[in-house]
Amino acid sequence: GDSVTQMEGPVTLSEEAFLTINCTYTATGYPSLFWYVQYPGEGLQLLLKATKADDKGSNKGFEATYRKETTSFHLEKGSVQVSDSAVYFCALSEAGNTPLVFGKGTRLSVIA
Amino acid sequence: DAGVIQSPRHEVTEMGQEVTLRCKPISGHDYLFWYRQTMMRGLELLIYFNNNVPIDDSGMPEDRFSAKMPNASFSTLKIQPSEPRDSAVYFCASSRDRGRTGELFFGEGSRLTVL
Repeated sequence: GDSVTQMEGPVTLSEEAFLTINCTYTATGYPSLFWYVQYPGEGLQLLLKATKADDKGSNKGFEATYRKETTSFHLEKGSVQVSDSAVYFCALSEAGNTPLVFGKGTRLSVIA
Repeated sequence: DAGVIQSPRHEVTEMGQEVTLRCKPISGHDYLFWYRQTMMRGLELLIYFNNNVPIDDSGMPEDRFSAKMPNASFSTLKIQPSEPRDSAVYFCASSRDRGRTGELFFGEGSRLTVL
């Protein structure tokens, strides 16, 4: 079945450091790909998405590019802030409008 | 517009007791999802509804779990009897579609602790 694999956390970075959170997926077709973010004590919310190969999703300084050849959708940010501390989830939705399949999440802590 | 509303936010109960979690989706959303989040297993889809009808309950762990959606603005997830391994955060989410193009809107979750 479809699955998403994320790098294990936690990830701890200093403010203004560069962030990469790796995500790879397994799917039979051509899924849409998503990054969701969960701030402490809150539900998940959509951060960015890409619906086809080579698309780049971006939001709040974060970006991720849909790489079909490597089945990856890595999340990057050039300069993280303390307010970016959260859990980040990679997810996919297979063709045919199936429910989202989430990775296990990666906890990011940014220290001042 | 109000977001997805869940209650209670926190529930502590003893093993064997019945637990009922409640969810009010965003008005106009046709899909409603129940997820469970634990450290060990991450975020698991338990069941989802389309227009109040259960579509896929294959993620419901066992017969102790049941979910209903009597109308478009209300859903419940019931655990009876509860066990310590049911301790988790339970999220309700709603959307206009199953996920491919749209966006899931999550509630703040119900943290369940079974002693």
